[in-house]
Amino acid sequence: EVQLVESGGGLVQPGRSRRLSCTASGFTFGDYAMSWVRQAPGKGLEWVGFIRSKAYGGTTEYAASVKGRFTISRDDSKSIAYLQMNRLKTEDTAVYFCTRTSGYYYHMDVWGKGTTVTVSS
Amino acid sequence: SSELTQDPAVSVALGQTVRITCQGDSLRGYFASWYQQKPGQAPVLVIYGKDNRPSGIPDRFSGSSSGNTASLTITGAQAEDDADYYCNSRDSSGNHVVFGGGTKLTVL
Repeated sequence: EVQLVESGGGLVQPGRSRRLSCTASGFTFGDYAMSWVRQAPGKGLEWVGFIRSKAYGGTTEYAASVKGRFTISRDDSKSIAYLQMNRLKTEDTAVYFCTRTSGYYYHMDVWGKGTTVTVSS
Repeated sequence: SSELTQDPAVSVALGQTVRITCQGDSLRGYFASWYQQKPGQAPVLVIYGKDNRPSGIPDRFSGSSSGNTASLTITGAQAEDDADYYCNSRDSSGNHVVFGGGTKLTVL
């Protein structure tokens, strides 16, 4: 079964850091780009960023709202994608979803259930 | 522009046809993808590319595009289609991804 499982969420103080993990199974992880998408309470979906597969350079792209604070990385040997979040702000409070990203149009065909990050003092 | 615009809410009578639209400059160059999200659940991809449905998605869901507008059509809406629907695409630069604000579909 193709599956993504996020972990690492929780309560964190403003200005602090948190690392989220996304563990994949059921497919060849290294063949795919992986994205992070978040959803603030009662709000819509917001793309956070993605990391391309090694075949496409393994490079990353980020939304303007997180660029310079968040870093996405991957360990293909472990089938895990990471989201390192630094200098967290209260507005980063959200459910964070990991997604498998495919094709020329970057459609997201597999989603994890999400992990909740709450930034509060 | 890096924005996609959706109507906040749409309603449809049970068994009727409904079209949900998504507008944005990037859609002149890139097809949209569509996602269904029910409360407390992760989104599910329902349409991608020109008009492709992932395995398991009913054929009452279809997609189309014209100019700067993408559309998701549900032909014969069912009670279980009551959900939020989001479009997304690559942005005009091609390097980023953008989501629409979402449409809450109510099946009456």
